[in-house]
Amino acid sequence: GQQVMQIPQYQHVQEGEDFTTYCNSSTTLSNIQWYKQRPGGHPVFLIQLVKSGEVKKQKRLTFQFGEAKKNSSLHITATQTTDVGTYFCAGADNFNKFYFGSGTKLNVKP
Amino acid sequence: NAGVTQTPKFQVLKTGQSMTLQCAQDMNHEYMSWYRQDPGMGLRLIHYSVGAGITDQGEVPNGYNVSRSTTEDFPLRLLSAAPSQTSVYFCASSPVDASYNEQFFGPGTRLTVL
Repeated sequence: GQQVMQIPQYQHVQEGEDFTTYCNSSTTLSNIQWYKQRPGGHPVFLIQLVKSGEVKKQKRLTFQFGEAKKNSSLHITATQTTDVGTYFCAGADNFNKFYFGSGTKLNVKP
Repeated sequence: NAGVTQTPKFQVLKTGQSMTLQCAQDMNHEYMSWYRQDPGMGLRLIHYSVGAGITDQGEVPNGYNVSRSTTEDFPLRLLSAAPSQTSVYFCASSPVDASYNEQFFGPGTRLTVL
Protein backbone atom coordinates (compact mmCIF):
# COMPACT_ATOMS: atom_id res chain seq x y z
CA GLY A 1 0.00 0.00 0.00
CA GLN A 2 0.84 3.66 -0.12
CA GLN A 3 3.54 4.74 2.32
CA VAL A 4 4.92 8.18 3.00
CA MET A 5 8.06 8.27 5.11
CA GLN A 6 9.37 11.42 6.73
CA ILE A 7 12.75 12.11 8.33
CA PRO A 8 14.08 13.12 10.73
CA GLN A 9 11.58 12.43 13.51
CA TYR A 10 13.02 15.19 15.70
CA GLN A 11 15.29 18.16 15.09
CA HIS A 12 16.70 20.50 17.71
CA VAL A 13 18.37 23.65 16.38
CA GLN A 14 19.74 26.88 17.74
CA GLU A 15 17.82 29.94 16.63
CA GLY A 16 19.32 31.17 13.37
CA GLU A 17 20.33 27.72 12.14
CA ASP A 18 18.73 26.14 9.09
CA PHE A 19 16.33 23.17 9.17
CA THR A 20 15.31 20.60 6.56
CA THR A 21 12.75 17.79 6.63
CA TYR A 22 12.44 15.15 3.94
CA CYS A 23 9.47 13.20 2.68
CA ASN A 24 9.64 10.02 0.54
CA SER A 25 6.85 8.00 -1.03
CA SER A 26 6.88 4.39 -2.17
CA THR A 27 4.75 5.36 -5.18
CA THR A 28 4.36 8.34 -7.50
CA LEU A 29 2.24 11.11 -6.04
CA SER A 30 -0.25 13.34 -7.85
CA ASN A 31 0.57 16.17 -5.46
CA ILE A 32 2.09 16.82 -2.06
CA GLN A 33 1.00 19.14 0.70
CA TRP A 34 2.87 20.46 3.74
CA TYR A 35 1.29 21.28 7.09
CA LYS A 36 2.48 22.73 10.38
CA GLN A 37 0.99 21.72 13.73
CA ARG A 38 1.73 23.66 16.89
CA PRO A 39 1.69 21.75 20.21
CA GLY A 40 -1.92 21.08 21.20
CA GLY A 41 -3.19 22.49 17.92
CA HIS A 42 -4.46 21.25 14.61
CA PRO A 43 -2.58 20.96 11.29
CA VAL A 44 -2.45 24.18 9.31
CA PHE A 45 -1.87 24.12 5.56
CA LEU A 46 1.37 25.64 4.31
CA ILE A 47 1.58 24.80 0.61
CA GLN A 48 0.74 22.36 -2.17
CA LEU A 49 3.11 21.22 -4.93
CA VAL A 50 1.75 19.59 -8.06
CA LYS A 51 4.34 19.69 -10.84
CA SER A 52 7.44 17.54 -11.21
CA GLY A 53 10.54 19.45 -10.03
CA GLU A 54 8.44 22.30 -8.63
CA VAL A 55 10.05 24.72 -6.16
CA LYS A 56 8.03 27.22 -4.15
CA LYS A 57 9.13 29.76 -1.57
CA GLN A 58 7.30 31.41 1.30
CA LYS A 59 9.61 33.94 2.97
CA ARG A 60 12.17 31.75 4.80
CA LEU A 61 10.52 28.46 3.74
CA THR A 62 11.49 26.63 0.52
CA PHE A 63 9.52 23.63 -0.70
CA GLN A 64 10.62 21.20 -3.40
CA PHE A 65 8.89 18.38 -5.26
CA GLY A 66 11.16 15.78 -6.82
CA GLU A 67 11.43 15.14 -10.53
CA ALA A 68 9.91 11.67 -10.14
CA LYS A 69 7.13 13.06 -7.87
CA LYS A 70 8.10 10.59 -5.15
CA ASN A 71 9.95 12.87 -2.74
CA SER A 72 9.73 16.35 -1.32
CA SER A 73 11.54 18.59 1.12
CA LEU A 74 10.90 21.62 3.28
CA HIS A 75 13.82 23.87 4.14
CA ILE A 76 13.67 26.71 6.66
CA THR A 77 16.44 29.30 6.54
CA ALA A 78 17.52 31.00 9.76
CA THR A 79 14.98 29.43 12.11
CA GLN A 80 13.08 31.51 14.63
CA THR A 81 11.32 30.42 17.84
CA THR A 82 8.01 30.92 16.04
CA ASP A 83 8.95 28.01 13.75
CA VAL A 84 8.54 25.52 16.63
CA GLY A 85 6.05 22.77 15.85
CA THR A 86 5.65 19.54 13.91
CA TYR A 87 5.86 19.64 10.13
CA PHE A 88 3.94 17.05 8.14
CA CYS A 89 3.97 16.19 4.48
CA ALA A 90 0.86 14.62 2.94
CA GLY A 91 0.99 12.90 -0.41
CA ALA A 92 -1.97 11.99 -2.58
CA ASP A 93 -2.09 9.10 -5.03
CA ASN A 94 -5.17 10.77 -6.46
CA PHE A 95 -6.48 14.16 -5.51
CA ASN A 96 -8.84 12.83 -2.85
CA LYS A 97 -6.89 10.37 -0.72
CA PHE A 98 -4.01 11.72 1.35
CA TYR A 99 -1.29 9.82 3.20
CA PHE A 100 0.53 11.77 5.89
CA GLY A 101 4.13 11.31 6.90
CA SER A 102 4.85 10.76 10.58
CA GLY A 103 6.07 14.33 10.96
CA THR A 104 9.27 16.12 12.01
CA LYS A 105 9.12 17.83 15.38
CA LEU A 106 11.20 21.02 15.34
CA ASN A 107 12.47 22.60 18.53
CA VAL A 108 14.26 25.95 18.31
CA LYS A 109 16.43 27.11 21.21
CA PRO A 110 16.65 30.89 21.61
CA ASN B 1 -17.26 31.92 8.87
CA ALA B 2 -16.70 29.42 11.67
CA GLY B 3 -14.65 27.15 9.37
CA VAL B 4 -14.59 23.51 10.51
CA THR B 5 -16.15 22.78 13.88
CA GLN B 6 -15.96 19.56 15.87
CA THR B 7 -17.83 18.38 18.93
CA PRO B 8 -17.16 17.25 21.55
CA LYS B 9 -13.63 18.49 22.35
CA PHE B 10 -13.02 15.67 24.85
CA GLN B 11 -14.75 12.35 25.39
CA VAL B 12 -14.18 9.33 27.63
CA LEU B 13 -15.90 6.07 26.71
CA LYS B 14 -16.00 2.60 28.14
CA THR B 15 -15.14 -0.37 25.95
CA GLY B 16 -18.18 -1.42 23.92
CA GLN B 17 -19.94 1.94 24.03
CA SER B 18 -20.92 3.69 20.82
CA MET B 19 -20.82 7.37 20.02
CA THR B 20 -20.83 9.89 17.19
CA LEU B 21 -18.20 12.57 16.65
CA GLN B 22 -19.70 15.59 14.96
CA CYS B 23 -18.08 17.65 12.22
CA ALA B 24 -19.52 20.61 10.35
CA GLN B 25 -18.15 23.18 7.90
CA ASP B 26 -19.66 26.37 6.55
CA MET B 27 -17.39 26.90 3.55
CA ASN B 28 -19.49 24.88 1.08
CA HIS B 29 -16.63 22.45 0.57
CA GLU B 30 -17.41 19.26 -1.31
CA TYR B 31 -14.58 17.22 0.23
CA MET B 32 -14.60 16.19 3.89
CA SER B 33 -12.47 13.66 5.71
CA TRP B 34 -11.72 12.14 9.09
CA TYR B 35 -8.22 11.43 10.39
CA ARG B 36 -6.92 9.96 13.60
CA GLN B 37 -3.61 11.07 15.07
CA ASP B 38 -1.58 8.80 17.32
CA PRO B 39 1.81 9.69 18.84
CA GLY B 40 4.65 9.29 16.36
CA MET B 41 2.35 8.14 13.55
CA GLY B 42 1.17 11.30 11.88
CA LEU B 43 -2.42 11.43 10.67
CA ARG B 44 -4.16 8.43 9.16
CA LEU B 45 -7.20 8.76 6.92
CA ILE B 46 -10.28 6.93 8.24
CA HIS B 47 -13.02 7.85 5.76
CA TYR B 48 -13.59 10.61 3.27
CA SER B 49 -16.38 12.04 1.13
CA VAL B 50 -16.30 13.97 -2.14
CA GLY B 51 -19.87 15.18 -1.85
CA ALA B 52 -23.26 14.60 -0.27
CA GLY B 53 -24.29 10.97 -0.56
CA ILE B 54 -20.76 9.78 -1.45
CA THR B 55 -18.31 8.25 1.03
CA ASP B 56 -15.26 6.04 0.72
CA GLN B 57 -12.82 4.24 2.96
CA GLY B 58 -9.41 5.56 3.86
CA GLU B 59 -6.39 3.83 5.31
CA VAL B 60 -7.90 2.70 8.66
CA PRO B 61 -11.72 2.40 8.30
CA ASN B 62 -12.41 -0.62 10.53
CA GLY B 63 -14.61 0.14 13.53
CA TYR B 64 -15.89 3.42 12.09
CA ASN B 65 -18.92 4.40 10.00
CA VAL B 66 -19.67 7.65 8.20
CA SER B 67 -22.51 9.17 6.23
CA ARG B 68 -22.86 12.43 4.28
CA SER B 69 -26.47 13.50 3.99
CA THR B 70 -25.65 17.21 3.60
CA THR B 71 -22.69 19.21 2.27
CA GLU B 72 -22.13 20.75 5.70
CA ASP B 73 -22.04 17.72 8.01
CA PHE B 74 -19.88 14.61 8.14
CA PRO B 75 -20.37 12.64 11.38
CA LEU B 76 -18.08 9.78 12.41
CA ARG B 77 -19.65 6.87 14.31
CA LEU B 78 -17.78 4.49 16.55
CA LEU B 79 -19.86 1.34 16.62
CA SER B 80 -18.31 -0.44 19.64
CA ALA B 81 -15.43 1.49 21.14
CA ALA B 82 -12.14 -0.29 21.85
CA PRO B 83 -9.04 0.95 23.71
CA SER B 84 -7.17 0.90 20.38
CA GLN B 85 -9.44 3.75 19.26
CA THR B 86 -8.01 6.07 21.90
CA SER B 87 -6.67 8.90 19.77
CA VAL B 88 -7.12 12.47 18.64
CA TYR B 89 -9.63 12.73 15.80
CA PHE B 90 -9.48 15.52 13.25
CA CYS B 91 -12.07 16.41 10.65
CA ALA B 92 -10.97 18.33 7.56
CA SER B 93 -12.63 19.89 4.54
CA SER B 94 -11.48 21.26 1.20
CA PRO B 95 -12.84 22.22 -2.20
CA VAL B 96 -12.54 19.51 -4.85
CA ASP B 97 -10.04 21.04 -7.23
CA ALA B 98 -7.22 19.10 -8.81
CA SER B 99 -4.91 22.09 -8.80
CA TYR B 100 -5.43 23.44 -5.31
CA ASN B 101 -7.20 21.68 -2.46
CA GLU B 102 -5.95 23.05 0.84
CA GLN B 103 -7.42 21.04 3.69
CA PHE B 104 -8.90 23.02 6.59
CA PHE B 105 -8.77 21.11 9.86
CA GLY B 106 -11.09 21.35 12.83
CA PRO B 107 -9.74 21.70 16.40
CA GLY B 108 -9.94 17.96 17.07
CA THR B 109 -11.70 15.60 19.49
CA ARG B 110 -9.58 13.87 22.12
CA LEU B 111 -11.10 10.45 22.74
CA THR B 112 -10.12 8.04 25.50
CA VAL B 113 -11.54 4.51 25.60
CA LEU B 114 -11.16 2.72 28.91
